[in-house]
Amino acid sequence: DAMVIQNPRYQVTQFGKPVTLSCSQTLNHNVMYWYQQKSSQAPKLLFHYYDKDFNNEADTPDNFQSRRPNTSFCFLDIRSPGLGDAAMYLCATSSGATGSENQYFGPGTRLTVL
Amino acid sequence: GENVEQHPSTLSVQEGDSAVIKCTYSDSASNYFPWYKQELGKRPQLIIDIRSNVGEKKDQRIAVTLNKTAKHFSLHITETQPEDSAVYFCAASKSDYKLSFGAGTTVTVRA
Repeated sequence: DAMVIQNPRYQVTQFGKPVTLSCSQTLNHNVMYWYQQKSSQAPKLLFHYYDKDFNNEADTPDNFQSRRPNTSFCFLDIRSPGLGDAAMYLCATSSGATGSENQYFGPGTRLTVL
Repeated sequence: GENVEQHPSTLSVQEGDSAVIKCTYSDSASNYFPWYKQELGKRPQLIIDIRSNVGEKKDQRIAVTLNKTAKHFSLHITETQPEDSAVYFCAASKSDYKLSFGAGTTVTVRA
């Protein structure tokens, strides 16, 4: 089945220790997104790629970086995690055909910062 | 940017009753309005969507209505069942590849 896969599902890191979360997709979608979701809140967009074009949200901290080496993979790097970065990180994809279409979400990575 | 407001924030209904969630948006350029259901610990999943050239769409027990003039859209769930208990998010998009989400509604269906 075509899908969005995230690894790991659970990640524990120490305060200030860099961490990388990964996302892959078999949908061959042009657009990939990274969201941060905290308890009882809506997903908050961090950035997205249309193909290799990177689009950062204005309020995304510099501590968050992303890489998309090819169509299938996208990575979220948190350079120096703080306690406030503990959250669920959701990857999503969309076809990019119209700019207004459904986004397919991965299962998420739950990040704990000790 | 687009601002989407969602009400109510929590909704408790008796099994078999209907549930209605309402959203308003600010940008008249928005043209796509999906609804996502997120069960505890799981990913958001699309349950229904509507485009700006349509006023209403129905899929079994779920329906969405859109009023472009008033800039609001609503989700209607009929004959609610315990498995409908979840957080529901409305969203709006204006062809910029992004979704603006509402704050979410926690729906509890009482057996």
